[in-house]
Amino acid sequence: DAKTTQPPSMDCAEGRAANLPCNHSTISGNEYVYWYRQIHSQGPQYIIHGLKNNETNEMASLIITEDRKSSTLILPHATLRDTAVYYCIVRVWTNAGKSTFGDGTTLTVKP
Amino acid sequence: DGGITQSPKYLFRKEGQNVTLSCEQNLNHDAMYWYRQDPGQGLRLIYYSQIVNDFQKGDIAEGYSVSREKKESFPLTVTSAQKNPTAFYLCASSSAYEQYFGPGTRLTVT
Repeated sequence: DAKTTQPPSMDCAEGRAANLPCNHSTISGNEYVYWYRQIHSQGPQYIIHGLKNNETNEMASLIITEDRKSSTLILPHATLRDTAVYYCIVRVWTNAGKSTFGDGTTLTVKP
Repeated sequence: DGGITQSPKYLFRKEGQNVTLSCEQNLNHDAMYWYRQDPGQGLRLIYYSQIVNDFQKGDIAEGYSVSREKKESFPLTVTSAQKNPTAFYLCASSSAYEQYFGPGTRLTVT
C-alpha cells in the first residue's frame, strides 16, 4: 500500500472551512484514497473515500488531483466537535484492512 | 445496534502474564483486524483475518497471537513475550469498501 504524507497539525476557526491536505505520490492505479478521523481515545471513524473523482457526503468533500498524487479533505463548516486527528490512507479496494495509518493531522477547531 | 464491541475498556496486568482482549462484531463482516496505537502515533497492524479459521501477521505481530474460530469473534492474546505491551488496542472489521472500528481497549502492564 502507498504511503501518505500529512502535516502534523492545523488550526481552523469555528464556522470556517477546514482544508486538510494529503500527499500520496506513489499511489497505484487500483488504490483508493480513504479518510478517517479519531477523536481522543476513541476508535477511528470513516469519513469518505474516492478513486479519482471528487466525492461529497454529509460529512465532508474529497478533492483528488488529476494525477492522483494528492488530495484534500474539506470540512465545509468546522465545529468544535470536528477537533480530532485526521488520517489519510490509500489502499486497494479488496484489501480494506491491511493498510498503514500514519500519524495523521491533528485539527484543532477554535472558537 | 450493529457494531463492534471490545471489552474491557481498561485492563491492567502484571508483567509476565498473558492477557486476552475480546472483540466481537455483529456486522456480518468476513474480515477483522487488530491494531495497536501508542501515544501520539498512528495505528499499526498486528494481525488480520479475512475468513474464519485463517489469519495473517501484520506489521508488528511478534508477542501477539490470535484465533478466528467464529465469524463474529477475533480475540487477541498479548503474551509475556511482547516487550512493550502497554498501549491502546483497536479491533476493526470491514466490508468491501468500509472499515469499522471498535471503541478500543487500553492495556496497562506494570
